[in-house]
Amino acid sequence: TQLLEQSPQFLSIQEGENLTVYCNSSSVFSSLQWYRQEPGEGPVLLVTVVTGGEVKKLKRLTFQFGDARKDSSLHITAAQPGDTGLYLCASMTTDSWGKFQFGAGTQVVVTP
Amino acid sequence: KAGVTQTPRYLIKTRGQQVTLSCSPISGHRSVSWYQQTPGQGLQFLFEYFSETQRNKGNFPGRFSGRQFSNSRSEMNVSTLELGDSALYLCASKSTASSYEQYFGPGTRLTVT
Repeated sequence: TQLLEQSPQFLSIQEGENLTVYCNSSSVFSSLQWYRQEPGEGPVLLVTVVTGGEVKKLKRLTFQFGDARKDSSLHITAAQPGDTGLYLCASMTTDSWGKFQFGAGTQVVVTP
Repeated sequence: KAGVTQTPRYLIKTRGQQVTLSCSPISGHRSVSWYQQTPGQGLQFLFEYFSETQRNKGNFPGRFSGRQFSNSRSEMNVSTLELGDSALYLCASKSTASSYEQYFGPGTRLTVT
């Protein structure tokens, strides 16, 4: 079973600072999704990356997919309080198409 | 386009009872997956339905079951509830079985006392 490891588990920063969260696996990802979840709500899909080396930007968020497709990072520039949330990475399992597994998540807190 | 809807949003049940949760996917989406989220275990896959057939199943006991209707709406049932079943139950829909992208509903918060 492919495991997704996220780091750090928790990140607390001041508004305006930058942050990076990571998602790693010992196996190759077929694709990788990043979600943000707020308390009591479902995760919201931010991006999907598929191609090794791919970089996607969503306003102040930059997503990178490693060349070997075993790792990914999410970088937030000039974080705002609205960026607070649980950031989750997910990937479709290689043993059963359509079934997703999730990392444990990185809790990000941005204080004004 | 309306998002994924789940009902009810909150539920309190007693040990030993059973519960049924409902999920309506995004219009046109035919795949529905269910997840259990707890602080200790994170998001864990329960099962996926596509065109009324269960395609994938996670590692949960048989007390957890589901079904999908011809209009793609799905229900999840948990029988003989245990305290450990307290969790946020999330439903996610995809346009096709092979789609990479799934969209989640707001979840149903189940508390078992």
